[in-house]
Amino acid sequence: ETGVTQSPTHLIKTRGQQVTLRCSSQSGHNTVSWYQQALGQGPQFIFQYYREEENGRGNFPPRFSGLQFPNYSSELNVNALELDDSALYLCASSFGQGSDTQYFGPGTRLTVL
Amino acid sequence: AQSVTQPDIHITVSEGASLELRCNYSYGATPYLFWYVQSPGQGLQLLLKYFSGDTLVQGIKGFEAEFKRSQSSFNLRKPSVHWSDAAEYFCAVGRNDDYKLSFGAGTTVTVRA
Repeated sequence: ETGVTQSPTHLIKTRGQQVTLRCSSQSGHNTVSWYQQALGQGPQFIFQYYREEENGRGNFPPRFSGLQFPNYSSELNVNALELDDSALYLCASSFGQGSDTQYFGPGTRLTVL
Repeated sequence: AQSVTQPDIHITVSEGASLELRCNYSYGATPYLFWYVQSPGQGLQLLLKYFSGDTLVQGIKGFEAEFKRSQSSFNLRKPSVHWSDAAEYFCAVGRNDDYKLSFGAGTTVTVRA
C-alpha cells in the first residue's frame, strides 16, 4: 500500500506566475484535501475534493483552484502568485466525505520571489 | 466554527522525562480530535485520534491522549520521551458533517540530553 505522494518537493516562482502542485492519494481513498501551512503556523484548509467534485472550501480566493481525476489524484493550481503564497502545501487523502482520518503527504515547499 | 488552541508554543523536556502537550477546542457537539506530529521539512504524521467511546486513546510511538468534555481538552502525553520525539505537534478538530480539519498553531518540543 502506497502512502500519499506529492510533487514537486520544492518550487520557486516569481510574483504573478502560475503554479500547479500534484498529489496522489493513498490506495483506497477517494477524497483529497489541500492545506496551506505558512512558516510557524498550523495548516489552513484550502478545499476538499470528493469523487472529482469540490466538496468544501476554506477562506481562500478564487485564484486557488483544484481538480480531482478519476484515479482520485489531484492538482492544486494557484494563479497570479503573491509573496504571501510562499508556504508548505500539504495534500491529505481520506475515504468518504467529512473530516474522517486524513493522511498527509510530505508537502510541496513553494517560494514566491 | 470550530477552533483549536495550543497554549504552549515551545516546550523543552529532558530525555526520559514525561511530556504533556495541551490542546483546547471550541465546538458545540462532540468533535473528532486528532494529534499529528511534524518533523522539520516533513508532512504530518497521525499519532492518534478520538471519535467516540473510551476517552483515553492510545497512539503510535508510545503516545496517549485523554478527551475531557467538561474541559474541552484533548491533551497529549508520553511517559518517557526519546530524542527522536523532538518535533512540532499539532492538535486538530473536525466533525462528522464537515469536510475540514481545523488545526492549532502547534507546539515545538525540544528534547535535551
